[in-house]
Amino acid sequence: KQEVTQIPAALSVPEGENLVLNCSFTDSAIYNLQWFRQDPGKGLTSLLLIQSSQREQTSGRLNASLDKSSGRSTLYIAASQPGDSATYLCAVRQETSGSRLTFGEGTQLTVNP
Amino acid sequence: GAGVSQSPRYKVAKRGQDVALRCDPISGHVSLFWYQQALGQGPEFLTYFQNEAQLDKSGLPSDRFFAERPEGSVSTLKIQRTQQEDSAVYLCASSLEWLTGELFFGEGSRLTVL
Repeated sequence: KQEVTQIPAALSVPEGENLVLNCSFTDSAIYNLQWFRQDPGKGLTSLLLIQSSQREQTSGRLNASLDKSSGRSTLYIAASQPGDSATYLCAVRQETSGSRLTFGEGTQLTVNP
Repeated sequence: GAGVSQSPRYKVAKRGQDVALRCDPISGHVSLFWYQQALGQGPEFLTYFQNEAQLDKSGLPSDRFFAERPEGSVSTLKIQRTQQEDSAVYLCASSLEWLTGELFFGEGSRLTVL
């Protein structure tokens, strides 16, 4: 059974700091990995999608990397802002279980002004 | 519409009541997923449709849960005889491509069972 782990569970940083969120998964047979952002009481907003053949994806101040063989992904946020405060979730699309998306528990990020 | 639309956004039900949650996917998206999210946790898979075919319902927690997508567009998640443990946010997502497509989520339906 695929297990997705996100470290740290919570992170508090001052505004302007660069930061890294980590995601690991146990089964490397995946189609892709997707990073989401969730604000309190809201749905999930897609940030970046990395296909299994790709190593990284970038969008603005966000950069996500994927090392499929070692079962790891990182989300790098440059020059953090208070508006980045949210819960960040990673999810993997598995090859072996009918293509369901399996989520981690998330990292709750607080960026202090 | 531009995004995935879910209704109702909030539902309060008395224990034992039946509820129906609706999902309007992005137009043209063939894949549709339902997830359940408890407070402070990541979403858990419930079921998945490819057009009107329900390809995987292994995540449904009991036979009180039923989902349908009769015309391959709008989907309804029905919960019969609701229990307190059914209280959660129910999220719907759709994607254009079956296996490699990006998933887009709705705002969710928050169910509270009293």
